[in-house]
Order: sequence, then structure tokens, then C-alpha cells
Amino acid sequence: VQLQDSGPGLVKPSETLSLSCTVSGGSISSYRWTWIRQPPGKGLEWIGYIDDSGSTNYKPSLGSRVSISLDTSKNQFSLKLTSVTAADTAVYYCARSRGMGLFDYWGRGTLVTVSS
Amino acid sequence: DIQLTQSPSSLSAAVGDRVRFTCQATQDISNNVNWYQQKPGKAPKLLIYDASNLEVGVPIRFRGSGSGTDFTLTISSLQPEDFATYYCQQYENLPFTFGPGTKVDVK
Repeated sequence: VQLQDSGPGLVKPSETLSLSCTVSGGSISSYRWTWIRQPPGKGLEWIGYIDDSGSTNYKPSLGSRVSISLDTSKNQFSLKLTSVTAADTAVYYCARSRGMGLFDYWGRGTLVTVSS
Repeated sequence: DIQLTQSPSSLSAAVGDRVRFTCQATQDISNNVNWYQQKPGKAPKLLIYDASNLEVGVPIRFRGSGSGTDFTLTISSLQPEDFATYYCQQYENLPFTFGPGTKVDVK
């Protein structure tokens, strides 16, 4: 299984961050698909997941700014984060969640910088 | 949210050393803890799941233990490729959370 994340590396403040993750070498069915971020030099933060039925769960502190969607026809899932600020600058990882909450396959990560 | 603390925050060790670091949760999380290794510029790698189960392909020098609120990751004989940062992560409750990490560097 391989996960390839993609998206712009620079987003302006107040705009929307959009990233995609394409899954290859395995089915998108029967797993949860997760986004995790890591600000430069800091620790890991779980953002949320979507399962193969389309059910989602997000970190509450991100409120309504975050949404994750799934496109099974493309074996792809996506992250949108609206109204970004400098605090959203981070490496964003997509990951497969096996079982309840372990992350066994990860993308390489995309550094997204929020700056004008 | 369940908070995880890790100690020490960093440690210096030599190849061949036995190293041990801990993860403590703010409430009982049963055995719902995973451990990851992260090297600079790389994605984390799953080492241990459910507190004590070795992920496929991970060397047996890595051992996880604990339950409830206190967990330990032990490396029995540190190898050159083990210099990295180690994170614990809980999945007892949403939102899933990670500890701040323990960085292992060369003595």
C-alpha cells in the first residue's frame, strides 16, 4: 500500500487549504483514512478521519473549518481546511487507519505554509 | 481530550545501550496506545500497537509494555538506525492524541 499526498505548498491567510491523498496497492474499502499534521519542529496532531462509508470524525477544536471527503472511484480522499492562519502552517500527512486508531501506512507529507 | 506526557523529552545514548522511555496518560486508556518512530523529514512509522504488540517487520529489540495510564517503550540494544524521535498515541477516546515525543540522540 502506498499513499501519495498532493496539493499546494503555499496558501494565503483566510483562504482554503486543499490536499488530496491517492491510495495505491490496496483498496480504500474497510479502513478509515486519516489526516494528521505536524507544525515545523513540533509534535503530531490528529485532524480527523473518514471511513469507507463516508462517515467522518474531526478534532473538535478545528470546528467547522475542516472537512474530509472520499472518492472511491479514484481511490482518493481529500482534506479541506478553511479560513487558514499562520497557525495552520504544518506538514500534513495522510494515513491509513487500521482497526480503531492505529496508523500503519503514511504518505510522505506535504509542507503547507500559510503566508501572504 | 486525553493528554499524554512523555519522559524524558530527550536522551543521549550510545549504540548497544538499553533505552527506556515512558508515556503517561491523564486517564485510564486500557491498552489503547501505539508507539511510532519518526526520523527527520520522514513520516512516522508504527512500531508497537495495543501497548505491546510488535508491528510486522519491526525488530524484536523494540518492546512495549503497560496498561491503564502508564506505558513504556524499551529498546534492548540501540542500533544506529534507532536515533529518532518516538511518539506515543492514544485511541481510547476521540480526538486521538499524541504525546510530545522523546528524542534519542547520540551520546
